Amino acid sequence: DARVTQTPRHKVTEMGQEVTMRCQPILGHNTVFWYRQTMMQGLELLAYFRNRAPLDDSGMPKDRFSAEMPDATLATLKIQPSEPRDSAVYFCASARGRTEAFFGQGTRLTVV
Amino acid sequence: QQPVQSPQAVILREGEDAVINCSSSKALYSVHWYRQKHGEAPVFLMILLKGGEQKGHEKISASFNEKKQQSSLYLTASQLSYSGTYFCGTDENTNAGKSTFGDGTTLTVKP
Repeated sequence: DARVTQTPRHKVTEMGQEVTMRCQPILGHNTVFWYRQTMMQGLELLAYFRNRAPLDDSGMPKDRFSAEMPDATLATLKIQPSEPRDSAVYFCASARGRTEAFFGQGTRLTVV
Repeated sequence: QQPVQSPQAVILREGEDAVINCSSSKALYSVHWYRQKHGEAPVFLMILLKGGEQKGHEKISASFNEKKQQSSLYLTASQLSYSGTYFCGTDENTNAGKSTFGDGTTLTVKP
């Protein structure tokens, strides 16, 4: 059963700490998206990759967020330093080209 | 550019029909529809790639008017399981697969 796997599922951290979220896309999918979901902002696109190359990260606060794909089976989203306003659910989704995206279960981040 | 969805919320009785609309100010390559239940990830429902083409999923269908950059999701004879938040995602012609989402439409189906 192919699915997108995200770790950790939940993360509570103190303000100022580094947070790393990981995503394993579905095998064979070459497009990976990172979204952030809050009650106020809905589903915001933070960054996306095609064939491991970053295509757009304009939705991401550049001073503290970074996204990478070290290889085809791993995407990472890092926040350093974290702030309380970063508290949200972060979703990773993968797709084959420009077809439908399949979402992981998300990482619920709480920054205190 | 984020697509605009309407209405923001709908309350139905079981068996009633609903239409959710999605519009964009940009020329679109495709429109995707997803349903999200509380505390869960969005789940893909359907994708529309060609103008005017309707695609179905159970009793849920959708249309895509490429010229108007609009899509509508049709839920007929709604069931309790249809409750959730529906999102449209749009992929613009000029942005090579950048999928952005509307703010969602919350659908509540009551017995």
